[in-house]
Amino acid sequence: TQLLEQSPQFLSIQEGENLTVYCNSSSVFSSLQWYRQEPGEGPVLLVTVVTGGEVKKLKRLTFQFGDARKDSSLHITAAQPGDTGLYLCAGTVASYGKLTFGQGTILTVHP
Amino acid sequence: EAGVAQSPRYKIIEKRQSVAFWCNPISGHATLYWYQQILGQGPKLLIQFQNNGVVDDSQLPKDRFSAERLKGVDSTLKIQPAKLEDSAVYLCASSTRTGEGLAGGPPKNIQYFGAGTRLSVL
Repeated sequence: TQLLEQSPQFLSIQEGENLTVYCNSSSVFSSLQWYRQEPGEGPVLLVTVVTGGEVKKLKRLTFQFGDARKDSSLHITAAQPGDTGLYLCAGTVASYGKLTFGQGTILTVHP
Repeated sequence: EAGVAQSPRYKIIEKRQSVAFWCNPISGHATLYWYQQILGQGPKLLIQFQNNGVVDDSQLPKDRFSAERLKGVDSTLKIQPAKLEDSAVYLCASSTRTGEGLAGGPPKNIQYFGAGTRLSVL
């Protein structure tokens, strides 16, 4: 069983601060995805990383895949209240693309 | 393009009762997934269909949970009888097809999620 551990589980910050969320595993993943989920909604895909060491940027969000493809991080610069939500990482190992999710990080950005 | 539709949005039942959830995937999506998301946790895959065949149901508690996708489009997930620990959000997702990209490239199975059904078992 491939496990993904996210940290921290909860993050409460003020608007304008920076933050980093980590996603770690002892397993190697062929790809890793980050999702954002708002209350009452399903997860929405933010990014997919597939190459060890890959860095992708999405406006104020920076995603990195570890060199060994066992870990990933999400960095948000100058957080805004609209960034509030549950952030989930999910890894793919099996040939049919089964996703294994981490337990999520609940981010609250206060105005 | 319409998204993944799920109903009902909320359901409250007593333990030992039965309940069914319905999912209509995005048109043309061959692969359909049911996930269980317990409060404070990430989604856990219960079952994956490719058209009307089951690809993976290894984490489906088959003594009480069942799912079908008879015509390869809509799907229903049933719990009978429900237990207190079944309280969760049940998410349906669909994708165009299963499988990794060619030569280890990006996965081609981007999953689109519905809003989920929140089940409370009292």
